[in-house]
Amino acid sequence: DAKTTQPNSMESNEEEPVHLPCNHSTISGTDYIHWYRQLPSQGPEYVIHGLTSNVNNRMASLAIAEDRKSSTLILHRATLRDAAVYYCILSKETSGSRLTFGEGTQLTVNP
Amino acid sequence: DTGVSQNPRHKITKRGQNVTFRCDPISEHNRLYWYRQTLGQGPEFLTYFQNEAQLEKSRLLSDRFSAERPKGSFSTLEIQRTEQGDSAMYLCASRKAVSLYGYTFGSGTRLTVV
Repeated sequence: DAKTTQPNSMESNEEEPVHLPCNHSTISGTDYIHWYRQLPSQGPEYVIHGLTSNVNNRMASLAIAEDRKSSTLILHRATLRDAAVYYCILSKETSGSRLTFGEGTQLTVNP
Repeated sequence: DTGVSQNPRHKITKRGQNVTFRCDPISEHNRLYWYRQTLGQGPEFLTYFQNEAQLEKSRLLSDRFSAERPKGSFSTLEIQRTEQGDSAMYLCASRKAVSLYGYTFGSGTRLTVV
């Protein structure tokens, strides 16, 4: 599986936008970019995924670089409930057999 | 609640004992996955099923571990002769084989081997 690189931790203030970066320089043409987040004492939760074009849903936006070697998860207005570990994962297909998690980015949201 | 259900939420066992965890996936999801997560790490894949067939197993799944999904609905994960290194959160996830959406994870079973 192609690897992703994320910062270990980031901080944000409540009600401000948050941009969580992910580098995936060895991404292949068939790799989808997935984002999951994990709140304390919970299992991971699906956030968003994309292939080439930017994507928006009710939780977040995903901005994908033109060369696809990096992407950014955007939380438009952070809330305290967004404090979690965010994982950027590459998967060969939307119905892939498994997800390979890294260590993710611990997001702290300050009131 | 139609999410993924895992039982028990917590299990404390003595080293050498056998333990079994249960996962009830979302009813229309035919794929079911088991992951293990230790403190400060991301989840690690263990195995997955499509319906009742076990299609992939990680090298992490030693011969002390066995998983079943006998009727293609709920699944069990058994660990025999537990060791302290087995202490972890065991997560179950499910999804449809073809889906525009991601995996749905349960809240996990926290195993502590003393």
